[in-house]
Amino acid sequence: GAVVSQHPSRVICKSGTSVKIECRSLDFQATTMFWYRQFPKQSLMLMATSNEGSKATYEQGVEKDKFLINHASLTLSTLTVTSAHPEDSSFYICSAKARISTDTQYFGPGTRLTVL
Amino acid sequence: GQSLEQPSEVTAVEGAIVQINCTYQTSGFYGLSWYQQHDGGAPTFLSYNALDGLEETGRFSSFLSRSDSYGYLLLQELQMKDSASYFCAVRDTGGFKTIFGAGTRLFVKA
Repeated sequence: GAVVSQHPSRVICKSGTSVKIECRSLDFQATTMFWYRQFPKQSLMLMATSNEGSKATYEQGVEKDKFLINHASLTLSTLTVTSAHPEDSSFYICSAKARISTDTQYFGPGTRLTVL
Repeated sequence: GQSLEQPSEVTAVEGAIVQINCTYQTSGFYGLSWYQQHDGGAPTFLSYNALDGLEETGRFSSFLSRSDSYGYLLLQELQMKDSASYFCAVRDTGGFKTIFGAGTRLFVKA
């Protein structure tokens, strides 16, 4: 089956620093990747949608200058949390679709971000 | 807009059958999906219904009634490892993004 990896799996950083999270599709080309954040015991909240080679589409209320998304290739998307603050601490999950028409999303294992 | 409603928690015993319901309100509809997520892990895809009826995959089945804007996930022969959160999800108006419900935490007791 399709595999999506994320790196790092856990990161702890100081307030004010930036953190980059990578999302890779290992055995398929992802036309579209999605970034979600999830607070404990809550649902997945879509942050942005990124298509290879184009700018990401951000959901309402998500600051694009704070959460920088780059989808440089068909197998890699990165999310950079800039000037992180404790309220940015969350579980960040990426997912990928092989084709726009498919409903199946393949999720990465998630990245636990803790900002001190 | 899109909204999905599902129960917040369900408790059942090992070996039993449990049904998790999901009702949705969408301006467009492109199918209902179900995902399982264990604590600390990523969601995994379980099933997808685009048409009315029942889809069966092993111990799990999913049902959809488009006229009622309703679906359910049926888990049979419950095992302890089935304790997890279960999310229903629909694709948005453009059929591009997936919107998730709040999730149902299933507790399986011995």
